Amino acid sequence: AQKVTQAQTEISVVEKEDVTLDCVYETRDTTYYLFWYKQPPSGELVFLIRRNSFDEQNEISGRYSWNFQKSTSSFNFTITASQVVDSAVYFCALSSWGPMEYGNKLVFGAGTILRVKS
Amino acid sequence: GAVVSQHPSWVICKSGTSVKIECRSLDFQATTMFWYRQFPKQSLMLMATSNEGSKATYEQGVEKDKFLINHASLTLSTLTVTSAHPEDSSFYICSAREPNDYGYTFGSGTRLTVV
Repeated sequence: AQKVTQAQTEISVVEKEDVTLDCVYETRDTTYYLFWYKQPPSGELVFLIRRNSFDEQNEISGRYSWNFQKSTSSFNFTITASQVVDSAVYFCALSSWGPMEYGNKLVFGAGTILRVKS
Repeated sequence: GAVVSQHPSWVICKSGTSVKIECRSLDFQATTMFWYRQFPKQSLMLMATSNEGSKATYEQGVEKDKFLINHASLTLSTLTVTSAHPEDSSFYICSAREPNDYGYTFGSGTRLTVV
């Protein structure tokens, strides 16, 4: 069975601090996808990144960066110089790789509430 | 990019009535759609996988007769909460996968309140 663990329930930081959100996953699949989503108070899910299991390169997008380490089954997310607008719930998620007809459910972690104070 | 429209955004209904939530893929055909439920301060829990032209696949513990899913076309899936009760009050969100893509596009969600 697939499982995603986000051990940090809630994190509070002061604006401009860097913050890392942890994500550890479990899967028996050799090929899979990992995702991060942001959920602001309005509720909609904002897609941040998708990474397939073949690609272990770290990625940077503006103030966001992701560190994927297959050896430790982790896919951590770092926000540099955090801002108040970053306050939200962040979800890490996992899906199998494969054709559409397999369904390939997206399994979510419990989420981490990030509060950025000014 | 792919867009999924979910309607209504919020709904209040009386206990015992039924509520229908629509999920439409606007610019692509979605053979598979997913329905999630999210209680306050909790994660998204998959309720069912909706397959166009066939019966939905429900997750363990989800009542099929209570949460009716219909995926009659390649662009529309509906979730009907039948005989709603206050404990069904939750945030319901759908998602769809584009063919030939491994991403998931989410609707904006529906906040259901049963009074």
